[in-house]
Amino acid sequence: RKEVEQDPGPFNVPEGATVAFNCTYSNSASQSFFWYRQDCRKEPKLLMSVYSSGNEDGRFTAQLNRASQYISLLIRDSKLSDSATYLCVVNVMGDMRFGAGTRLTVKP
Amino acid sequence: DAEITQSPRHKITETGRQVTLACHQTWNHNNMFWYRQDLGHGLRLIHYSYGVQDTNKGEVSDGYSVSRSNTEDLPLTLESAASSQTSVYFCASSALGQTDEQYFGPGTRLTVT
Repeated sequence: RKEVEQDPGPFNVPEGATVAFNCTYSNSASQSFFWYRQDCRKEPKLLMSVYSSGNEDGRFTAQLNRASQYISLLIRDSKLSDSATYLCVVNVMGDMRFGAGTRLTVKP
Repeated sequence: DAEITQSPRHKITETGRQVTLACHQTWNHNNMFWYRQDLGHGLRLIHYSYGVQDTNKGEVSDGYSVSRSNTEDLPLTLESAASSQTSVYFCASSALGQTDEQYFGPGTRLTVT
């Protein structure tokens, strides 16, 4: 079983839609959690950290459920520019473990 | 502006050759990392360094080595390239005590024939 698992997608949604991704992790010792964004053939970039209480950054909301060992990312009012691959990342005792990513395509 | 660069951006080499991929950052970050990214896998950590003269093995270090002689550079060497090492390689850096927020270079696409 992979340490960090994501649905690879693709998720194809129209502009303006709300879309949510989940990610599960296997190591209960995981300390911190993140979502990174990766555009096609480009480097990953930090989108947002995920806090225990949940956090929001504009149209993006991240949630953490430690009991069930999953994190989620909600994108509201999707824009064409949100099209990318979203990587779930878990810090396990100082090592960053990356999921394989969920691909999102937002269509006009 | 501070940045992290990688060279070459594309490389084709033959099985058995030694290859070195360069990574240079001007963030003055203590921490530097090398990952590989393959279809169906997340980024996997190859080697990392928390400072000059410090190097550590990651999850998939076999066949790779690094050295850290200054703050700015962490070159990755493939001792004897194998076809299984065909991949996209990303270098990243982060500030002291901040392994979480990593800044990535643009990547090197390596093909071993």
